[in-house]
Amino acid sequence: KAGVTQTPRYLIKTRGQQVTLSCSPISGHRSVSWYQQTPGQGLQFLFEYFSETQRNKGNFPGRFSGRQFSNSRSEMNVSTLELGDSALYLCASSSGQDNEQFFGPGTRLTVL
Amino acid sequence: AQKITQTQPGMFVQEKEAVTLDCTYDTSDPSYGLFWYKQPSSGEMIFLIYQGSYDQQNATEGRYSLNFQKARKSANLVISASQLGDSAMYFCAHQGGRGSTLGRLYFGRGTQLTVWP
Repeated sequence: KAGVTQTPRYLIKTRGQQVTLSCSPISGHRSVSWYQQTPGQGLQFLFEYFSETQRNKGNFPGRFSGRQFSNSRSEMNVSTLELGDSALYLCASSSGQDNEQFFGPGTRLTVL
Repeated sequence: AQKITQTQPGMFVQEKEAVTLDCTYDTSDPSYGLFWYKQPSSGEMIFLIYQGSYDQQNATEGRYSLNFQKARKSANLVISASQLGDSAMYFCAHQGGRGSTLGRLYFGRGTQLTVWP
């Protein structure tokens, strides 16, 4: 069974640009969650999608948005990038109930 | 909000010895789950073990076991027979069972484990 995949793995952008990250969950999983990891703030929850609906949202500005498609693949978009958006972005896949979440390898975003 | 505390920023253990990584949590959810993840320097979060709040038995997965003490709100990870490949950052996480906490993991700050030969 294939694991969670994230593309791209590495990304370099400049301030003011926008970026789209992609996450494909484990086959059969309907929930995708996104997390931001930085040395200063640790791991922070961005949002969770279940069956194409945003079910939960963390405390991030509106520049951070996401969506989920009918095949459960999810995208995260960050507009008007800031230096502080440099981070490892992780997505996690689960069946949608309160059980295990499996993470992808992450996308490392650098904003210059 | 949920709070997860990992009081050990770094731990050192000799190969083949056992080590315990501490985790305490603060929650008002009647039903919740507790997780441990391993993050090597490559960055990927590797799921290790899960404990449900209503599980009667402590969870075990191979060399990993979870010492769950519900009344004390602690969920310590025990790694037996440490291996050099166990050197990594370890995160404890809590997931609520309802409302705004459903599907959302709250992470501790992590413990950097170093296994030496």
